Amino acid sequence: GEDVEQSLFLSVREGDSSVINCTYTDSSSTYLYWYKQEPGAGLQLLTYIFSNMDMKQDQRLTVLLNKKDKHLSLRIADTQTGDSAIYFCAESELTTGFQKLVFGTGTRLLVSP
Amino acid sequence: DVKVTQSSRYLVKRTGEKVFLECVQDMDHENMFWYRQDPGLGLRLIYFSYDVKMKEKGDIPEGYSVSREKKERFSLILESASTNQTSMYLCASSLGPGSGDEQYFGPGTRLTVT
Repeated sequence: GEDVEQSLFLSVREGDSSVINCTYTDSSSTYLYWYKQEPGAGLQLLTYIFSNMDMKQDQRLTVLLNKKDKHLSLRIADTQTGDSAIYFCAESELTTGFQKLVFGTGTRLLVSP
Repeated sequence: DVKVTQSSRYLVKRTGEKVFLECVQDMDHENMFWYRQDPGLGLRLIYFSYDVKMKEKGDIPEGYSVSREKKERFSLILESASTNQTSMYLCASSLGPGSGDEQYFGPGTRLTVT
């Protein structure tokens, strides 16, 4: 199966930028996703990028995609304590004619005041 | 707003019991999924379903079964619960092919098997 890798932890100070990195293996993925999980909650889609794009910006969030290196990153500008959560990247995988998502291990972001 | 609900937030069961986890979505989505989430392992797909009465094994189906009798409801069954099935279980749904595959998640059920 495909593999998606992320570092487990990231700690930043409030007001700094956070960069969460992800590497994936399926070069045929159509979409790549970033999900956020707040404590005690399910996952919520933050943003996604179509595989023919290099960058996508949405307010404080910037997604960069390097298809050659199969590297995806999520930059959060002006990080706030409310951004503390687990962030998952995911790639879409085609299997038996059906697309499913393969998730990374998640990166726990801790924002200190 | 898409809503995915799960029958329980917390559940404690004994080894050997049969356990049912229920998931309901209200947006007429074709696809439904069951994952388990464990620290350091991320989300692992147990089973998914792309239509009523259809099911496909995910990456870790052993010890689990599923049922999808109605489009909006997808049940995960632990036939004989074991302590290594203590985990957070997440249900998700998605519209179907061509939709960007965005999955909408329920709040999760934290299952403890003693």
